Amino acid sequence: DTAVSQTPKYLVTQMGNDKSIKCEQNLGHDTMYWYKQDSKKFLKIMFSYNNKELIINETVPNRFSPKSPDKAHLNLHINSLELGDSAVYFCASSQLGRNTEAFFGQGTRLTVV
Amino acid sequence: GQQVMQIPQYQHVQEGEDFTTYCNSSTTLSNIQWYKQRPGGHPVFLIQLVKSGEVKKQKRLTFQFGEAKKNSSLHITATQTTDVGTYFCAGPHGGSQGNLIFGKGTKLSVKP
Repeated sequence: DTAVSQTPKYLVTQMGNDKSIKCEQNLGHDTMYWYKQDSKKFLKIMFSYNNKELIINETVPNRFSPKSPDKAHLNLHINSLELGDSAVYFCASSQLGRNTEAFFGQGTRLTVV
Repeated sequence: GQQVMQIPQYQHVQEGEDFTTYCNSSTTLSNIQWYKQRPGGHPVFLIQLVKSGEVKKQKRLTFQFGEAKKNSSLHITATQTTDVGTYFCAGPHGGSQGNLIFGKGTKLSVKP
C-alpha cells in the first residue's frame, strides 16, 4: 500500500564503502526526487528525474549517482562514502502539472563511521 | 540563486498559544506549498496556495499567500501538543513545476 517506499530505513557503514538506497513509488507519478536532510533538518534537493530523464542536479558530488530503470524507481548509489554524507535521505515523487504535491518516502538514515 | 527563507528557525510555545511561521522567496512563485514533518518522520503535504492573496484554512491552521506571490505564512491558533514538528514551505525551483525548493523550516515545540 505504501505510496513511496525506500530501503533500507537505516544504513550504517564505514568510510570508503559503496552503498545503494532503493526507492519505488506506486502512484503513477512521472517525477521522482532525492532529498538530503542534514542534522539541522535542512531539506536540500539532490536530484530530480522526470520520465527517466535527469532534470536537475544541485551541485552534488559525482560520488552520488542516481539510477532510474523506469519511472517508478529511482535508486541512489553512493561511492567512497565520507563522514559528511551522514544524513537522512528522502525519496519523493510528484506528478508534473498544476498540483505538484510531493509524496515522501520514510527516509533512510545513513551513518558513516 | 533562488532562495526560500523561513523564520523563525525555532519556536517554543505553551499549549494554547498561537504560532506563526513566515516564508519569503527571492523570486515570484507560481504556487507555494506547506509541509509538516513530525519528529522522526517524513515531510507530509499540508496545502498548496496558488492565487495572489489566497487564504485557506484547515481547522486551526490558516495559510496565506502574499499579494506579490513572494511570501506566505502559516498560523496555528491555540496550539496543541499534536502540532509539534517542523513546518516547511516550498516553492517551485527555477519556475519548473514539480521541482520544489524548501525553506529551512520552523521547528515548533509545544509545552503542555
